[in-house]
Amino acid sequence: DADVTQTPRNRITKTGKRIMLECSQTKGHDRMYWYRQDPGLGLRLIYYSFDVKDINKGEISDGYSVSRQAQAKFSLSLESAIPNQTALYFCATSQGDTDTQYFGPGTRLTVL
Amino acid sequence: GQQLNQSPQSMFIQEGEDVSMNCTSSSIFNTWLWYKQDPGEGPVLLIALYKAGELTSNGRLTAQFGITRKDSFLNISASIPSDVGIYFCAGSLIYNQGGKLIFGQGTELSVKP
Repeated sequence: DADVTQTPRNRITKTGKRIMLECSQTKGHDRMYWYRQDPGLGLRLIYYSFDVKDINKGEISDGYSVSRQAQAKFSLSLESAIPNQTALYFCATSQGDTDTQYFGPGTRLTVL
Repeated sequence: GQQLNQSPQSMFIQEGEDVSMNCTSSSIFNTWLWYKQDPGEGPVLLIALYKAGELTSNGRLTAQFGITRKDSFLNISASIPSDVGIYFCAGSLIYNQGGKLIFGQGTELSVKP
């Protein structure tokens, strides 16, 4: 079984709709991250959480919100989706001060 | 914001050839990581480097942490078709609030059998 899972794997939605992407992990890590991947731009950090009560904005948080429901669950919401939010979204986890992050399989989101 | 410059952006090579890619920055890094992303999957960690000058191998892969702490390279020897994918460098800035990484733009590798 995968250590970091993301649902859904693919989603097509329309402009203005609210979307939630979910991430779960069984690694027991305390830190979780949401990234966005666009061609030629690498991975950019949207939000990160060092524990259940700690939420921080990343490089590109505008238009997104997150919720850390439990140590193992971290969800990303797009309150009103727009076409330039079409991208691959990845969740990642890490433990403590270690820099090594482990990624989920990704969610491909298309906003029409 | 902080940036990592990764090059080349893409490579088209023949099976059996060696490959080299690198990342540079104007900032000093505490850690360098190299990831590979297969199509339709998330990035998978290949090699982690924690000390300036460190040279680490993982099978046919070798990576080095530059002595200036501002760069790193990844070499792949005797490439095979399953090496195809996107390779990312990632770094953790010195004095970083632990765990945040900055990613390079990626190197897309194509291997012709």
